[in-house]
Amino acid sequence: GQNIDQPTEMTATEGAIVQINCTYQTSGFNGLFWYQQHAGEAPTFLSYNVLDGLEEKGRFSSFLSRSKGYSYLLLKELQMKDSASYLCAVRGDYKLSFGAGTTVTVRA
Amino acid sequence: DSGVTQTPKHLITATGQRVTLRCSPRSGDLSVYWYQQSLDQGLQFLIQYYNGEERAKGNILERFSAQQFPDLHSELNLSSLELGDSALYFCASSGIENEKLFFGSGTQLSVL
Repeated sequence: GQNIDQPTEMTATEGAIVQINCTYQTSGFNGLFWYQQHAGEAPTFLSYNVLDGLEEKGRFSSFLSRSKGYSYLLLKELQMKDSASYLCAVRGDYKLSFGAGTTVTVRA
Repeated sequence: DSGVTQTPKHLITATGQRVTLRCSPRSGDLSVYWYQQSLDQGLQFLIQYYNGEERAKGNILERFSAQQFPDLHSELNLSSLELGDSALYFCASSGIENEKLFFGSGTQLSVL
């Protein structure tokens, strides 16, 4: 089975940086994904890590350590539109399981 | 627009009834996934199909069933509905199996 943990809520100021941590336990590992979901909308893909290290994509970066079962999503230069839920997802044997999500609130 | 189409967008029905949710994957995608998202809960994996064959099963109730047709569209059937089945049901698709998922806009099911 899979167990994915991430904080429930985080609050940050516009223009700041926020780091969302995700720890996981899984049988079989075939990659870790981060998705963004605004309330009532579909999740949208942000990043994918399958090897250890940092993947950078504009204002968003994601890091993976497979030996520690740990990942983080770094959001830089926060904007009001970044207020959303951020979902960590781990692909084990075929299925992609999601964490409960971290609600990020960006304040002016 | 993700390219994944789900119908209907909203569905209101009564307890004990049966409904069918439909999903058309992105053009060329062979894998279809179904997820349930209840209020204050994360995305719960239900089932995955790859090119018509069931590939993985999550916490899907026996009252629920799904299939993927030769044209690759998929249907999720929910029967003997209960109040607790009220949720947002998402379909997602991917090309090869380890690729990222593209989600449809979901079907909001309300069981009254």
